[in-house]
Amino acid sequence: QVQLRESGPGLVKPSQTLSLTCTVSGGSISSGAYYWSWIRQHPGKGLEWIGYIYFTGSTSYNPSLKSRVIISVDTSKNQFSLKLSSVTAADTAVYYCARDDLEDYYMDVWGRGTTVTVSS
Amino acid sequence: QSALTQPPSASGSPGQSVTISCTGTSSDVGGYNYVSWYQQHPGKAPKVMIYEVSKRPSGVPDRFSGSKSGNTASLTVSGLQAEDEADYYCTSYAGSNNLVFGGGTKLTVL
Repeated sequence: QVQLRESGPGLVKPSQTLSLTCTVSGGSISSGAYYWSWIRQHPGKGLEWIGYIYFTGSTSYNPSLKSRVIISVDTSKNQFSLKLSSVTAADTAVYYCARDDLEDYYMDVWGRGTTVTVSS
Repeated sequence: QSALTQPPSASGSPGQSVTISCTGTSSDVGGYNYVSWYQQHPGKAPKVMIYEVSKRPSGVPDRFSGSKSGNTASLTVSGLQAEDEADYYCTSYAGSNNLVFGGGTKLTVL
């Protein structure tokens, strides 16, 4: 059974870069049948799609975040990562990684989420 | 791209049915049959309940059903149970490899 786990600093200073990694276990990130996504949820608010990556390195990003986001993949480690630059307090959120079905565009496996606070 | 529109709240008594709407545009909900619905309990990760407008993943009770008409998709929960109380989010493919979420609906079982 595929499981995803987010990891990374829980506290980031304003103007710095937020960096998170999602480790995939129980399956291969290179299976070819999925995109690998990042989603975030501001405190008490709804979900926001950040973007996703295919195992080949092909990416797609939310237009509202595109200028600050880089998603990368390391198939040798079965991991994919998120970098969000120039963060502000508005980037404080729970960040989830998820597996996204390639053909039907839905997220069937989610990580537990990790809280990132942007504060000096 | 703008977030899909959902009512902030919905409610029903045990055993009743409740329907949650999700309104978009012809560029997302109306343009593709890739609407999915997620259930999220407090402090937990979302769980997919419906995909491709009306398909249920294995393990999801058949009390949950989905439909779409024009630019509006709907999730219906029949035979409400206490454990159905949660937040529900819709999402849709929005073209050009983009996804968009709804703002979420808090479902209360009275």
